[in-house]
Amino acid sequence: GAVVSQHPSWVICKSGTSVKIECRSLDFQATTMFWYRQFPKQSLMLMATSNEGSKATYEQGVEKDKFLINHASLTLSTLTVTSAHPEDSSFYICSARPGQGADEQYFGPGTRLTVT
Amino acid sequence: LAKTTQPISMDSYEGQEVNITCSHNNIATNDYITWYQQFPSQGPRFIIQGYKTKVTNEVASLFIPADRKSSTLSLPRVSLSDTAVYYCLVRPAGNTPLVFGKGTRLSVIA
Repeated sequence: GAVVSQHPSWVICKSGTSVKIECRSLDFQATTMFWYRQFPKQSLMLMATSNEGSKATYEQGVEKDKFLINHASLTLSTLTVTSAHPEDSSFYICSARPGQGADEQYFGPGTRLTVT
Repeated sequence: LAKTTQPISMDSYEGQEVNITCSHNNIATNDYITWYQQFPSQGPRFIIQGYKTKVTNEVASLFIPADRKSSTLSLPRVSLSDTAVYYCLVRPAGNTPLVFGKGTRLSVIA
């Protein structure tokens, strides 16, 4: 149980285009989902917290107009990288928590974005 | 959020027990200690979580002293497939997100 999926697993796009990444909780409802970014040989960096039915909360330094997050249902959150540039190339990972309290935070398998 | 400090890297031979210690001097009363494992190009995977004393599951043990200012993840008899980055995280109960430090890169050698 407690599986989080991401789609696509990898994507290559041209500079200036937009890319949407989906994050789904397959067997539980997730009121809150989180988006992380990870560059090679570095740790995960929290980008934003996504709450179902409300606006996402972005971490300092993360452009909300560039990284659009939508959490329209209890099982789906999307991250859209708008007007992508080569420096946006990274590994994007989402996670979801089944409920409040000291619950585990389950992570998706990640999406590798390469902007050419 | 309490800051964590752990070794950058560790090497071990197959079959040995590996202990990774994490310092979290500023841990708060309602903070939990959680460890995650990450393989290259994959999302992190939960290993174990504890609040105090000792916690054991089928994968690892977590030792937390009384002052809770540190914790030790113990992996019994590691194999090559345990080569990964191990993250120690501290967070309060509730809906706060996990904030990752640098982690410990464990290399298991045959």
